Amino acid sequence: DAGVIQSPRHEVTEMGQEVTLRCKPISGHDYLFWYRQTMMRGLELLIYFNNNVPIDDSGMPEDRFSAKMPNASFSTLKIQPSEPRDSAVYFCASLPSNGELFFGEGSRLTVL
Amino acid sequence: GENVEQHPSTLSVQEGDSAVIKCTYSDSASNYFPWYKQELGKGPQLIIDIRSNVGEKKDQRIAVTLNKTAKHFSLHITETQPEDSAVYFCAASPSNDYKLSFGAGTTVTVRA
Repeated sequence: DAGVIQSPRHEVTEMGQEVTLRCKPISGHDYLFWYRQTMMRGLELLIYFNNNVPIDDSGMPEDRFSAKMPNASFSTLKIQPSEPRDSAVYFCASLPSNGELFFGEGSRLTVL
Repeated sequence: GENVEQHPSTLSVQEGDSAVIKCTYSDSASNYFPWYKQELGKGPQLIIDIRSNVGEKKDQRIAVTLNKTAKHFSLHITETQPEDSAVYFCAASPSNDYKLSFGAGTTVTVRA
C-alpha cells in the first residue's frame, strides 16, 4: 500500500478563497482523522470519521471548516472562506481497528 | 479533556549519548501512550507505544517508561545517531477513545 495520500502537498491562496484538501486513507482502515499543525498550537485534532461517519468534530475551529467522507477511500477538508490564520500544515491519518495510526505527508497551506 | 505537557522543547546531544524526553498527562483515564517521530517535511510516524498495563517497553535503542501514579511517561533513546535528529511527540488517549492528545514536541539534534 502507498500509505495515506494527501493532495495538494502545497497550496498558496488568497484570503477569501475556497480551499479543498484531499485524502486517500490506507485501504481497510476504519478510521480517518484530520489534524492541523502550527508552531503555536502544535498538532490539533479537527475531526475524525469511523466507517465514513463523522464521530467527533469538536476540534473544527469554525463554520468555515467542513469535512466529508463520501466513501471509504476518500475524504476532503474544505475551508471557505479562507483566512491568513488558517495557514498551517494539515495532516490526514488513518487507523485500522486496534492498530497503528498512519499519517500522510501533509498539505502545507498558506493563505495570503 | 486531556492535557499533555512535554519537556524539553529542544534537546542537543552528542552522537552516542542518550536522549530523554519526558511527558506528563492530566486525565487518569488515559491508558495508551504512543511516541511519534517527525522528520522535516514528513508526517509523524509511530516509533513506540505503551499501554497502562506495563511499566516499560523496549525496542532496540528506544525505550519508553510509564508511571501511572505520577501520570508521566518518558522516551529514552540510547546510542544516538545523526538519523535520530527529528521532532518527537508524545501523546495520550483513553483506550475507548481514538482521540490522541499530543505534546508540543521536542526537537532533537544529534551532533556528529
